[in-house]
Amino acid sequence: GQQLNQSPQSMFIQEGEDVSMNCTSSSIFNTWLWYKQEPGEGPVLLIALYKAGELTSNGRLTAQFGITRKDSFLNISASIPSDVGIYFCAGQRSGNTPLVFGKGTRLSVIA
Amino acid sequence: NAGVTQTPKFRILKIGQSMTLQCTQDMNHNYMYWYRQDPGMGLKLIYYSVGAGITDKGEVPNGYNVSRSTTEDFPLRLELAAPSQTSVYFCASSRDRGFGTDTQYFGPGTRLTVL
Repeated sequence: GQQLNQSPQSMFIQEGEDVSMNCTSSSIFNTWLWYKQEPGEGPVLLIALYKAGELTSNGRLTAQFGITRKDSFLNISASIPSDVGIYFCAGQRSGNTPLVFGKGTRLSVIA
Repeated sequence: NAGVTQTPKFRILKIGQSMTLQCTQDMNHNYMYWYRQDPGMGLKLIYYSVGAGITDKGEVPNGYNVSRSTTEDFPLRLELAAPSQTSVYFCASSRDRGFGTDTQYFGPGTRLTVL
C-alpha cells in the first residue's frame, strides 16, 4: 500500500527550542494533515492543508504543503513541555479516498 | 458533549475467542471509521461507514466485521482472535465529505492483546 515516510522517528529537544519534522511520499496527495497523539489518547487534528504551497499556522505550529504535493512540513516554535507526544502526518489523494498515515515522530521536551 | 466513546479500554483475549469493540458518537456524524495502530506504526484503516446501513472495507479488513444499524453506533467484531490482531484500535467519526477533508474526531482507543 501507499506509504508516507516521516522523519525523524524521534526527537529530544530542550524547552524553548524550535522543532521541524517532515513527511514525504512517492505519490501525490491533495490534502495533508498533521495530528498529535498523547499517551492513552486518540490523535487530534492540528492543521489541515488543502493547496500546494499553502502555509498554515495554528498558534506556535506552522505547516506547509509542498509544491510538488509529495511532502509536507511541520514546525513548532518555542517548544514547551506540553508539546510532548507523537506527531503524525496523513495524506489523502482525493475526497473519497482513505487517509494514509505516517509512522509518527515522537517528540520529547526536556525542561 | 462526549464525542466518540469506545469500550472496553483494555481487553485480553485467548486465541480463537471472539469479541465486539463498541464505538458510539453523539455528534450526529455520518462517517465513522475503525483504525488499528501497531507499535511504532501509523494508523491503518480497517473498515469505514458513510452512513447507517453502509459499510466498506479499508486497507486491512481481514479478520474483522462491522455493522452500522444506527448513525451513532459502529461496532467492530473479531470472530476468531489471532495474535496478529494485538493492537490498539481507534474509532473515529467525521461530519461529511469523508476521511480527512473534514475533521476526524478520534475515540480514546481500545488496547487489545491476544494470547
